[in-house]
Amino acid sequence: GQQVMQIPQYQHVQEGEDFTTYCNSSTTLSNIQWYKQRPGGHPVFLIQLVKSGEVKKQKRLTFQFGEAKKNSSLHITATQTTDVGTYFCAGPEETSGSRLTFGEGTQLTVNP
Amino acid sequence: DGGITQSPKYLFRKEGQNVTLSCEQNLNHDAMYWYRQDPGQGLRLIYYSQIVNDFQKGDIAEGYSVSREKKESFPLTVTSAQKNPTAFYLCASSRGLYSNQPQHFGDGTRLSIL
Repeated sequence: GQQVMQIPQYQHVQEGEDFTTYCNSSTTLSNIQWYKQRPGGHPVFLIQLVKSGEVKKQKRLTFQFGEAKKNSSLHITATQTTDVGTYFCAGPEETSGSRLTFGEGTQLTVNP
Repeated sequence: DGGITQSPKYLFRKEGQNVTLSCEQNLNHDAMYWYRQDPGQGLRLIYYSQIVNDFQKGDIAEGYSVSREKKESFPLTVTSAQKNPTAFYLCASSRGLYSNQPQHFGDGTRLSIL
């Protein structure tokens, strides 16, 4: 079945450093979504990418969708303590309508 | 405010007992989902429903059951057959029947064994 993999699993940074998490799918994706889960909280939708090579920005966050639509990345510039949490990517199951397959997530900690 | 309400927030289960987790949404979403999250892990799909009176198994359905009698409600029962039920359970919903709709999550229920 489809697999969505994320690396790294954990990332510790000093406040002000940059951070990147990578997402790779075993199959071509029609779209990819990114979610953030704060410690003790629930996942919150951040963004969706649809087009090959698409790049979207949200303040210090930059999201990219690969040309082959099989990989994606999230880059945070100059991390802040408010960026702490786990970042998940999710791609659609090919044959199951609205169902998504979530990656394992990258847990980010930021030292002040 | 529209959203998803999960209850209870914390739940304790005795050996051999079935427990039911509630999930209600007022977003008028067609699709609803139940995920299990273990500490430091990702989200694993238990069951999902794309329409009233219909639902499908996810990746880890054994030991769980669901119903979808109303569009707004998608309760999950953790049966005694689920031998390791301790986890964080998240309910989610999305607007349509296609994968390009973002999922909205409830605050979750933490289930523990007594």
